[in-house]
Amino acid sequence: GAVVSQHPSWVICKSGTSVKIECRSLDFQATTMFWYRQFPKQSLMLMATSNEGSKATYEQGVEKDKFLINHASLTLSTLTVTSAHPEDSSFYICSARGGWLGRNTIYFGEGSWLTVV
Amino acid sequence: GESVGLHLPTLSVQEGDNSIINCAYSNSASDYFIWYKQESGKGPQFIIDIRSNMDKRQGQRVTVLLNKTVKHLSLQIAATQPGDSAVYFCAENPPAGNKLTFGGGTRVLVKP
Repeated sequence: GAVVSQHPSWVICKSGTSVKIECRSLDFQATTMFWYRQFPKQSLMLMATSNEGSKATYEQGVEKDKFLINHASLTLSTLTVTSAHPEDSSFYICSARGGWLGRNTIYFGEGSWLTVV
Repeated sequence: GESVGLHLPTLSVQEGDNSIINCAYSNSASDYFIWYKQESGKGPQFIIDIRSNMDKRQGQRVTVLLNKTVKHLSLQIAATQPGDSAVYFCAENPPAGNKLTFGGGTRVLVKP
């Protein structure tokens, strides 16, 4: 069964609005979670590293004010796409490591499809 | 502007045959490697991993081979089945880092 859960699986929002995506680790504590973006037929692009209780670390070229990340607990990280535009439409995926899964094993959520209209 | 998508290399394999997927990694200091399978519209699914102190590891129907000399990783799937059709990504983890770097991916198509 899934060890990392994402919600919602898909969302449609109007341009200019904000949308929040949740990533939860199931049955284990994730001190670190990662957020990726994936365009069709492309590999995963790391957006940011989410650390519990501290600020997220963003990859070069990723706007931190655009993609707000909050890791308030050891089992939940959220990604908020603010003032969304059609070019933000993409497949967003989170992953988590830590806890009983072992230091280096990283599992992914099922992904969230965002469509901005 | 319009983004240009990469054309994923595709491996077509007959059902029942063995598949070999190759990956070249970039960081000679990486000490941990993972293979993922991604089906259309879903998140990556962990298949098998290997640490740099090993050159081979076997799982259920899958084998990962690591050649550190040429920074090459391969995934072998035995008796490929239709359910194996997906995109396969390798990922590397540098020793001092906490995040994975993904390869470009290979699409596997299993022909009945």
